[in-house]
Amino acid sequence: DAEITQSPRHKITETGRQVTLACHQTWNHNNMFWYRQDLGHGLRLIHYSYGVQDTNKGEVSDGYSVSRSNTEDLPLTLESAASSQTSVYFCASRGQGNTEAFFGQGTRLTVV
Amino acid sequence: AQTVTQSQPEMSVQEAETVTLSCTYDTSESDYYLFWYKQPPSRQMILVIRQEAYKQQNATENRFSVNFQKAAKSFSLKISDSQLGDAAMYFCACSHSGARQLTFGSGTQLTVLP
Repeated sequence: DAEITQSPRHKITETGRQVTLACHQTWNHNNMFWYRQDLGHGLRLIHYSYGVQDTNKGEVSDGYSVSRSNTEDLPLTLESAASSQTSVYFCASRGQGNTEAFFGQGTRLTVV
Repeated sequence: AQTVTQSQPEMSVQEAETVTLSCTYDTSESDYYLFWYKQPPSRQMILVIRQEAYKQQNATENRFSVNFQKAAKSFSLKISDSQLGDAAMYFCACSHSGARQLTFGSGTQLTVLP
């Protein structure tokens, strides 16, 4: 069965360190997204990609970057982790048209 | 830009009763889609129901139905015969045909009382 997986599920890192969260999907979807979930804010879009070599900034992109070298993967990098980036991060993928977006299991990131 | 507003941070319902979760949205697009996602304590995001804006008929999926009021930009979710397994955070979301990303509301935490 097709799926979308994130790793790690949990991570604790120190302020100032670079962190990369992995996202891998086997749906063969061109569209992939990174969201962060914080209480009272729902899910907010960080970055998104419509295909290989395409990346775009979302609502809360400062301090984050992504790259898309193949269809399956969209890693999210925190260049210099800050305490404000403590959150739960979700990766999602979606096909064309009015299709369902599929989500990974989420990564709980704590920056200390 | 789109915005989605869920004005009820928390709701509770008695088991077997009916509950309605509210959602309003704002978009300048004429062709858009609306969704309700459920997030149980496992953190998994699960699609509950979706609605195309051009369809006047309200979507229904078993015990879940929506009341889509296009002019009022309202998209509420009704859960009938509530079950303990319905307890979760519910998110309303919107996307328009020109963009594939979803814009989410802040969520409503639903508690089901036995």
